[in-house]
Parts: sequence; structure tokens; C-alpha cells
Amino acid sequence: GAGVSQSPSNKVTEKGKDVELRCDPISGHTALYWYRQSLGQGLEFLIYFQGNSAPDKSGLPSDRFSAERTGGSVSTLTIQRTQQEDSAVYLCASSPRGLGYGYTFGSGTRLTVV
Amino acid sequence: DAKTTQPNSMESNEEEPVHLPCNHSTISGTDYIHWYRQLPSQGPEYVIHGLTSNVNNRMASLAIAEDRKSSTLILHRATLRDAAVYYCILRGNNAGNMLTFGGGTRLMVKP
Repeated sequence: GAGVSQSPSNKVTEKGKDVELRCDPISGHTALYWYRQSLGQGLEFLIYFQGNSAPDKSGLPSDRFSAERTGGSVSTLTIQRTQQEDSAVYLCASSPRGLGYGYTFGSGTRLTVV
Repeated sequence: DAKTTQPNSMESNEEEPVHLPCNHSTISGTDYIHWYRQLPSQGPEYVIHGLTSNVNNRMASLAIAEDRKSSTLILHRATLRDAAVYYCILRGNNAGNMLTFGGGTRLMVKP
């Protein structure tokens, strides 16, 4: 597709359940980033993938959060045993490798934990 | 990471030019200056980026000071659709070349 695609666009889950959020980056973009944005707040970096290198997980807030990227393309962010403080918009972005390129963001997944 | 400083908010009248300032006094020689904007209920959108020279594209212009310690995003004719939070970010040789978003400038456009 022409842009970064995220699914689902909205997810309501019960506290304690696991959720999976999906990101389809732009074809050929080697870098993929996950951010989250709580209501009225700024963007918080979560995790970064670059090609076949080990991901940078330094932003993950707890061990309940994990992500993988299969075949250098699609990525899945998994949150186990969701808590109410996990409620936020989860944004994925992709970029070609290198400093001289911009990010393209998806529209995000709005996660609500009830 | 080098930090940027932006005003929290600005107001503009529709169809007038808007100059959004950004200070980045600790910028390093390899840092690119990126601008993104986030419209209400949407993900951030790339606007423009530059290294040393001024840049123009269909959305905006980027004026970079000669010493690179500040820059200005110029919207030539503001429309109501330009009301958004504008982020000025330095993208450098940190791990992952990732973008670190600050608070940005909330631009309000009055009809």
C-alpha cells in the first residue's frame, strides 16, 4: 500500500487480557518504530527495528510489552495482562535507513482497557 | 540527544503567513532538523526536513539559521486545516536514529 497500515483502528479489552496490535510498514522501509500517546500527552518511544538487526527495546515500559517483526516487514506489538494505564493510541512509523529521510506514521490503534 | 525549544502555542489568522520558531543551540554537525505536525485525532505527519540550506516543499518552507542553532517553519498561507501541534525534532546519530518528540507548538488558526 501507499502508507503505513495499522490494525485494528480501535480495540477495547478487559483488564488482564492480552492484545496484539499490527503494523504494515511501507514496502522497502527498513526501519520500523512503535510509539504510544496517552490522552493529551506527547509521543513516547517504545521499540525500534532496523533490518535484521536486534531491536532496540529500550522504551518498552514493562516486560508485559513485546514486539516482533517478521521477514523485515509486518510488526506485531503484544501487550500481556493489560492494565488500565496501557490505554493509549499506539502509533507505528516506518522509514528508509538514514538520517535524511522522514518517518511515515500510521493512523494508530486506540486501545482502551476497561 | 540535542534538545529543541518551541513556544507552547501560537495563533494565526487564516490566509496569513505563519512563522513557527525552534531553537536548537546544542545541535551537532550531523543532526538533521525535522518538522512534523499532528492534527487532532491523527498520527503525526511529516512536514519537512533540512540539514544546512533552506528547504521548500508543497507544504511549507524551512529556514535554517547560518549557525544552525535555530530554524523557522514557514506556512505561507495558513488555513483552518493547518491547526495542529507542530514538532521540531533533531534526528542524529543516536541509536536507531529515532525521533524524540517534545511538547511541540500548538497552532491555532482563526477564521
